[in-house]
Parts: sequence; C-alpha cells; structure tokens
Amino acid sequence: SQQGEEDPQALSIQEGENATMNCSYKTSINNLQWYRQNSGRGLVHLILIRSNEREKHSGRLRVTLDTSKKSSSLLITASRAADTASYFCATDPKAAGNKLTFGGGTRVLVKP
Amino acid sequence: DVKVTQSSRYLVKRTGEKVFLECVQDMDHENMFWYRQDPGLGLRLIYFSYDVKMKEKGDIPEGYSVSREKKERFSLILESASTNQTSMYLCASSLQGYTGELFFGEGSRLTVL
Repeated sequence: SQQGEEDPQALSIQEGENATMNCSYKTSINNLQWYRQNSGRGLVHLILIRSNEREKHSGRLRVTLDTSKKSSSLLITASRAADTASYFCATDPKAAGNKLTFGGGTRVLVKP
Repeated sequence: DVKVTQSSRYLVKRTGEKVFLECVQDMDHENMFWYRQDPGLGLRLIYFSYDVKMKEKGDIPEGYSVSREKKERFSLILESASTNQTSMYLCASSLQGYTGELFFGEGSRLTVL
C-alpha cells in the first residue's frame, strides 16, 4: 500500500471558496511535499514542509503537518478556476532508502 | 527556470517493440528519475540515477532499463513492450538528493497495442 494517502479522492467547489485536502502516511518522515498536476501534464512542486515544522504558507497555499497523527493538510484559499488540478502529497520516509513516495492524489474541480 | 523535456508526448507501439523514452534537463542536476503514473496508483518509481552511468532500481524496475551517458540525459528503455506497460511516464530531476524538490517533464503517454 502507498505511504501517502490523500483524502478526499475528489473535491468540487465554487470559485472563491477554500479547498482543503489531507494526506495521511504510515511511517516517520523527513519531509512532506505537495505537488499539483494539471490534466495530462507533469507535476509542479508547490511546497515542502520538514518534519520539525508545523505550518507553512506560500501565497494562497497553507500546509500543516501533524507528525503525531502522521497527517498533513493542504488548504487553497479563495480558489480560482485555474486551481482545477490533481494534488499529490509525497513523503520522504526515514526508513525507505531515500525515495519519495507519492499518494494517489486528490482531484479538485473549481467551478466558475 | 528548470526545464525538463521529454522527447515524445504521445507514443503508440506494438507488443514486442523496443521503446525509448528520452528525457533532458538543462539545470545540471545530479539526480534524475523515471516514474510511471496509473489511475489510482499514484506515481511509482521505476529507476533513478545519481550520476552519469550510475543507476538504481526503484519500486517497479521489471521490464525496464535505463541509460545515462550524459549528465543532462536520462533514457528509459522498454526492451520488449507489453500491454501492461501502457501508462503515463514522467521524468524528473532534482538538485538536492533523492528526496528534495522534483522538477518534472510534461510526461509521455505510451500506448502498447
């Protein structure tokens, strides 16, 4: 099974609303990253949060990390149609031989 | 900006054909990766390379090989394509080790008939 599991699998919101998605993982990590993928394209790095950090911001993105619960959340505020994409978390497990492990992604649809 | 270029966006091949997927990065990154992406399975690492002529197996190397003759170029080879290798293939590079920020190409969607 995958190290990172996103929830929900799909999310539909109106433009201007906030979108929140979660990532849960199984083993201790060094860092966790979030990526965005527009349909049929490659992934784009959004943000990296280290295991000793609890919250990070980048523009309209807010990422939290709770290592005690082994979970992270990505919040997109004031969403736009251009935020329509799939969002993936990727974990760097401490005991997995230095390889990033990706979850299955959350598909976000922002309706105008 | 870092640019990772994959040579073919779409390919259609027949079972048994040898397939080459090429990837070039322009930022002098040491590390390069090949992933495949399938619905519901996320991205799975096939192979990665940390230097010229150096390679390591990822999670699903069976049926694939790689070549890295030059620092900027990392090729994925399907020696004898099979229908279960129909997938989206993503190349990536990174500056900071195996688990830093990855820069991805646009992907190559391969269909094996």
